Amino acid sequence: DAKTTQPTSMDCAEGRAANLPCNHSTISGNEYVYWYRQIHSQGPQYIIHGLKNNETNEMASLIITEDRKSSTLILPHATLRDTAVYYCIVRGLGNTGKLIFGQGTTLQVKP
Amino acid sequence: GAVVSQHPSWVICKSGTSVKIECRSLDFQATTMFWYRQFPKQSLMLMATSNEGSKATYEQGVEKDKFLINHASLTLSTLTVTSAHPEDSSFYICSASRGSGGQGYSPLHFGNGTRLTVT
Repeated sequence: DAKTTQPTSMDCAEGRAANLPCNHSTISGNEYVYWYRQIHSQGPQYIIHGLKNNETNEMASLIITEDRKSSTLILPHATLRDTAVYYCIVRGLGNTGKLIFGQGTTLQVKP
Repeated sequence: GAVVSQHPSWVICKSGTSVKIECRSLDFQATTMFWYRQFPKQSLMLMATSNEGSKATYEQGVEKDKFLINHASLTLSTLTVTSAHPEDSSFYICSASRGSGGQGYSPLHFGNGTRLTVT
């Protein structure tokens, strides 16, 4: 599966949109982009995933560039409870669908 | 939504004893489950893939005789840490998916983890 690169940390003001970038320049055509987050001492929580089209659900929006080499997770109105480590993961249809976690981005939402 | 339950949420054991951790998919059947380990301030590390009715597949560097995995049914996988030592103290997390279908693989859903402390 392709490797991803994320900033180590980001800050965001409460109520503002949080935009978390991810680079995945070696992504293959059949690989999906997944986003998870982990709040301290809990298991990771699924947020959203996509292949090439932009996706939106009740938690977030995922914007994937046309060449699919990067993506952005958008939390439209960040709250203090969104403070967490956010992981961008590329997942292929092979390897039984396992997820390999990188270091992620620590998002700190500030009042 | 899909729910994965892990038990216990925390356990303290003495060095040399064995500890079993259970992972259950509550509202779906999971042919495949995954076990991860996480040390403080580090990311999750995949330990093994648990396949229902067959032997688990371990990642490189993970001792299969130390971390015994059993996936006897479509809703239950267990991880047994045998002869535990203080260096095995960690956060163990399982995950499961409904399986492929729909848009690529269905998302993996994670349990809330088990904090193991070996004294």
